[in-house]
Amino acid sequence: AAGVIQSPRHLIKEKRETATLKCYPIPRHDTVYWYQQGPGQDPQFLISFYEKMQSDKGSIPDRFSAQQFSDYHSELNMSSLELGDSALYFCASSLVGSSSTDTQYFGPGTRLTVL
Amino acid sequence: DQQVKQNSPSLSVQEGRISILNCDYTNSMFDYFLWYKKYPAEGPTFLISISSIKDKNEDGRFTVFLNKSAKHLSLHIVPSQPGDSAVYFCAASNNQGGKLIFGQGTELSVKP
Repeated sequence: AAGVIQSPRHLIKEKRETATLKCYPIPRHDTVYWYQQGPGQDPQFLISFYEKMQSDKGSIPDRFSAQQFSDYHSELNMSSLELGDSALYFCASSLVGSSSTDTQYFGPGTRLTVL
Repeated sequence: DQQVKQNSPSLSVQEGRISILNCDYTNSMFDYFLWYKKYPAEGPTFLISISSIKDKNEDGRFTVFLNKSAKHLSLHIVPSQPGDSAVYFCAASNNQGGKLIFGQGTELSVKP
């Protein structure tokens, strides 16, 4: 079965640079979520989109922005990168309105390293 | 403010025995709970979930128990296998399609 696809898997950037992370949800899933997991920490919710509209926002810095496109893929844009942005970034998708509506399926993650 | 807590950072179990992972939560508005298994450098893999209207859900070797009055849930794995060794995260949400709040994770080690 198709899973959530994230690209790139690894990304190395310098401080103050920008980064774009991409997420392709499971086919027919209409909701995308972004989470950040720092070293030794639990995943923290950043932002979510339902049917291409922002549905919820968590502890996402103003330097970050995201959107969901007409094909349901999503991109997380990160500017003015800081050392503390180094983390694993996970994307998850779900199908709201299904029998298992709250089950989010996660991608493999993008490991961002800021030097 | 940690709304979902897994107080045991690690657990070691012998192969074939039962593994019991615990999770406590503080927000009474949570109505859906999930367990995920995670290997290093990989995304969380969904294991099993339970709605707040139930107190037990079973899927093969995995059973989740929910005690709403105690705001406590547990994941039972029986029999435990070495391949079960991973970090297990408890997560909760309080609305349909809403964000997940994760616990800190418990690292399970199943020894042959």
